[in-house]
Amino acid sequence: DVKVTQSSRYLVKRTGEKVFLECVQDMDHENMFWYRQDPGLGLRLIYFSYDVKMKEKGDIPEGYSVSREKKERFSLILESASTNQTSMYLCASSLQSRDKVRFGSGTQLSVL
Amino acid sequence: AQTVTQSQPEMSVQEAETVTLSCTYDTSESNYYLFWYKQPPSRQMILVIRQEAYKQQNATENRFSVNFQKAAKSFSLKISDSQLGDTAMYFCAFRRNNNNDMRFGAGTRLTVKP
Repeated sequence: DVKVTQSSRYLVKRTGEKVFLECVQDMDHENMFWYRQDPGLGLRLIYFSYDVKMKEKGDIPEGYSVSREKKERFSLILESASTNQTSMYLCASSLQSRDKVRFGSGTQLSVL
Repeated sequence: AQTVTQSQPEMSVQEAETVTLSCTYDTSESNYYLFWYKQPPSRQMILVIRQEAYKQQNATENRFSVNFQKAAKSFSLKISDSQLGDTAMYFCAFRRNNNNDMRFGAGTRLTVKP
């Protein structure tokens, strides 16, 4: 079964830590996305990538960076975690703009 | 940037009845895609239905159908014969043609009551 896999379902980190959220897809999709989901705000796009080593900022890139060294893997990096980055993080991928976007199961990150 | 608005934070419906979730969006594009996603408590986002803006016919998928009003920039989801398993967060989403990013609304939490 094709899927998008996020490495952690729950994660607890300390303020100031460097945090890596990993996402892997097995569908050979060009496009990969990172969203954060907060109550009342829905899903907000942090970054997306349309090819290896290519990335574009979404609506809320501040405090985050991304890495896509291989087509199947898209990493979200919090250089110095802060409490306001406590959130649900969703990874997604798709083939083309009209195609179905498939999501991972999310990582609930708590920054203490 | 495109915006997507869901004005109903929460809704409830009795089992077997029909409910309509609202969504409006703002864009200057003429060709784009609209989606409804469902997120049950498992957190897994599931595509419910998709509409292509250049198609006038409203999309349907079994008990799910949309009312797409392009001029009004409105894209509502109708769920007929509601089932307990329909209880979830529902997100409306917008994606431009030949563009890779997707924008979501704030979501509507739907509860189906027995």
